[in-house]
Formats: sequence, C-alpha cells, structure tokens
Amino acid sequence: DAGVIQSPRHEVTEMGQEVTLRCKPISGHDYLFWYRQTMMRGLELLIYFNNNVPIDDSGMPEDRFSAKMPNASFSTLKIQPSEPRDSAVYFCASSTQRYSYNEQFFGPGTRLTVL
Amino acid sequence: GESVGLHLPTLSVQEGDNSIINCAYSNSASDYFIWYKQESGKGPQFIIDIRSNMDKRQGQRVTVLLNKTVKHLSLQIAATQPGDSAVYFCAETNYGQNFVFGPGTRLSVLP
Repeated sequence: DAGVIQSPRHEVTEMGQEVTLRCKPISGHDYLFWYRQTMMRGLELLIYFNNNVPIDDSGMPEDRFSAKMPNASFSTLKIQPSEPRDSAVYFCASSTQRYSYNEQFFGPGTRLTVL
Repeated sequence: GESVGLHLPTLSVQEGDNSIINCAYSNSASDYFIWYKQESGKGPQFIIDIRSNMDKRQGQRVTVLLNKTVKHLSLQIAATQPGDSAVYFCAETNYGQNFVFGPGTRLSVLP
C-alpha cells in the first residue's frame, strides 16, 4: 500500500483565491482525519469522517473551510476565500478505528502558503 | 519538505547517549497520552502511548513516564541513533475528546 496520499505537496496562492487540498486514505480505512499544523498553534484536528460521513467538524476554524468525502477513497479540504493566516501544513490521516491512534497513519502533508 | 517548527526548542545529544524529551500537559482530566515523531517532510508517526492508570510504559528503545501530580510526561530514548533526529511532540486526550498536541521538541543527534 502506498500509504495516505496527499496532493499537492506544496501550494502557493494569493489571498482571496480558492484552495483545494486532496487526500486518498489507505484502502480499507473507515476513518479519515484532516489536521492543520502551524508554528503558533501546533497540530490541530479540523474534522474527521467515518464511512464518508463527517462526524466532528468542531475544529474547522470558520465557514471559509469546508471538507467533503464523496467516496471511500477521496476527500477534499477547501478554503474559500483563502487568507494569509491559513498558511500552514495540512495533514490527512486515516485509520480503521476512531481511537486507534497507534494505527492512524498520516500523509506527507500539503504546505500551503497564502500571500 | 513539510516540516514546521523551525524555532522549536532543540535537544542535542551525542549518538549513543540517552535522550529525554519532556512535555507538560494542561488538562488534569486527560486519561490518555501519546508521543509522536515527525521527521522532516513527513507526517507525525505514533511512537508510544500510555494511559493515566499507569506511570511507566516501555517500548523498543523508548520509555514513557507519566507524572500526574505535576502533569508531566517524558519520553526517554535509549542509545540515540542518527535516525532518531526529528521533532517529537506529545498529545493528550480525555476519553477521546479534546485532543491536544504539544508544541514539540527538535531532537538533533550529533555524530
């Protein structure tokens, strides 16, 4: 298995533009998590899905952020409009159970820079 | 790569020495703690966990110590190797809720 796949690896955009980050979880994993990592706030859980259904989006910072999971092998995190303070590394992770942190695998991340 | 934390506290150790990385957690109600390793350009990787009903847990070359009295967690790495160079951070959670990650410490292994 190739592990969790994220694209793009790097994204540079201008303030006000729409940004879409993509994630392909490990096949067979029912849980998918989106995290954001910044120097100031560390790693934060934004939202997680179970069987393609969003379960907890309490970590999503504001309405500019939205996440979807149209099928078991694909999820997107969209920011519209983007702002400089959204600059961060965004990680996707997947697992077979909600609280099996030892079995939660992270992707390589997408480094987003909003100018 | 996708590393963050260019200004994180850094611990430098000689190859072969033992490393001790510390973490202060915030919620006295937290019942589960995890240590992660994050190498440059990669996502976090689970190392070891411990529940609040324990004060010590050992893995392969790693030991986690939990002191609930002072809300302190430490990660000990025995015989540190160059491949151990990474950012290490702890996480705490309360019955799976309020999952909070610490800021991290950069471990640099000197030859």
